[in-house]
Amino acid sequence: AQKITQTQPGMFVQEKEAVTLDCTYDTSDPSYGLFWYKQPSSGEMIFLIYQGSYDQQNATEGRYSLNFQKARKSANLVISASQLGDSAMYFCAMRERIKAGANSKLTFGKGITLSVRP
Amino acid sequence: GAGVSQSPSNKVTEKGKDVELRCDPISGHTALYWYRQSLGQGLEFLIYFQGNSAPDKSGLPSDRFSAERTGGSVSTLTIQRTQQEDSAVYLCASSGGTGGGGYNEQFFGPGTRLTVL
Repeated sequence: AQKITQTQPGMFVQEKEAVTLDCTYDTSDPSYGLFWYKQPSSGEMIFLIYQGSYDQQNATEGRYSLNFQKARKSANLVISASQLGDSAMYFCAMRERIKAGANSKLTFGKGITLSVRP
Repeated sequence: GAGVSQSPSNKVTEKGKDVELRCDPISGHTALYWYRQSLGQGLEFLIYFQGNSAPDKSGLPSDRFSAERTGGSVSTLTIQRTQQEDSAVYLCASSGGTGGGGYNEQFFGPGTRLTVL
């Protein structure tokens, strides 16, 4: 089974509107972290937001917020007030086996293309 | 400070040749990762180094792929006898610290675009 699933086709949003990008995940590890990255056409990977499995509150970073529904294993990214510069690929990723003193790999979804229309 | 750097930025090679890709992580970062991104796809984990521990090689697709990290800093990913399916962007990332929690953000380099003819 895929660990991270992003199944939306290319998404379109009107400038200044909000958009939700879906992500579901699969893990049996009780301690994990979820990340969203943005990859514009230039190819760089830009970290947007992080949610830990034990975090009580949904993460927010400026115009980005993460709608974390643990029981449903979903971690959707919400972008408010979309801007033209938000047009990019968006990747959801998960890090498992989080414990003190450990780093570990990220498992990525296939990504979603977002296009913001003026 | 300087971010993660990778060289070369582009590499075109002929099938069957060996290639070496280099990654300079952010100074002081203990963890270094290699990922591969094929056209229009997500990132695929290849290998991960953490300090002096044995690397996690679980993502290497075949024994033609190897990587080393010298002195806990610079890393080289080597692909021997390249095949056309090896064509992809190879991304390196590093993260800092050895402690606490899940928020060890990975900082990515610009990648090396490998084309095997």
